[in-house]
Amino acid sequence: EAGVTQFPSHSVIEKGQTVTLRCDPISGHDNLYWYRRVMGKEIKFLLHFVKESKQDESGMPNNRFLAERTGGTYSTLKVQPAELEDSGVYFCASSLLPGPGSEQFFGPGTRLTVL
Amino acid sequence: QQQVKQSPQSLIVQKGGISIINCAYENTAFDYFPWYQQFPGKGPALLIAIRPDVSEKKEGRFTISFNKSAKQFSLHIMDSQPGDSATYFCAAPGSARQLTFGSGTQLTVLP
Repeated sequence: EAGVTQFPSHSVIEKGQTVTLRCDPISGHDNLYWYRRVMGKEIKFLLHFVKESKQDESGMPNNRFLAERTGGTYSTLKVQPAELEDSGVYFCASSLLPGPGSEQFFGPGTRLTVL
Repeated sequence: QQQVKQSPQSLIVQKGGISIINCAYENTAFDYFPWYQQFPGKGPALLIAIRPDVSEKKEGRFTISFNKSAKQFSLHIMDSQPGDSATYFCAAPGSARQLTFGSGTQLTVLP
């Protein structure tokens, strides 16, 4: 069974540009999460989808970040315009059931560098 | 908002030794405390988790010890092996029922 996949694995862009990250969760997983890890710090929650609906987006840093999950399958996270502090590793995770007690399966991450 | 403090930031252990990583949390509305293990180039993967109706959970060489009154929990890796070299993250559920992760511990086990 395929795990969570993310594309691209790396992205280097200049400040002010736009970048779109993609996540394909495990098939059948209604719950999809986005996280970010900046400069060796904690893995920080960004938002949680249940199917195509945003269940919790309390971790989104600001309105330059837009997440979508059309059709309840794959998800995209767009950063527009990118700033230097957006650099980090963006992880996507999926789970069969909601809530912190359900195992989350992580993708390998997208390393974003904003110059 | 939940904060999880993890220490040490890095840890070097000889093969066969015991690795100990500690975490402390502030508040939680849900009793479930997982540890994730991450190898270079991979995403974090669930290693072991505890629901604190017990104070300890053991799976092979990995043990979680939980102290609810102190709001602390720790990961012990017995007979550490070079293949255990990875970054370890503890996590705790916050009031919004989302996981809050620690800052990670980079473990190196020397052969």
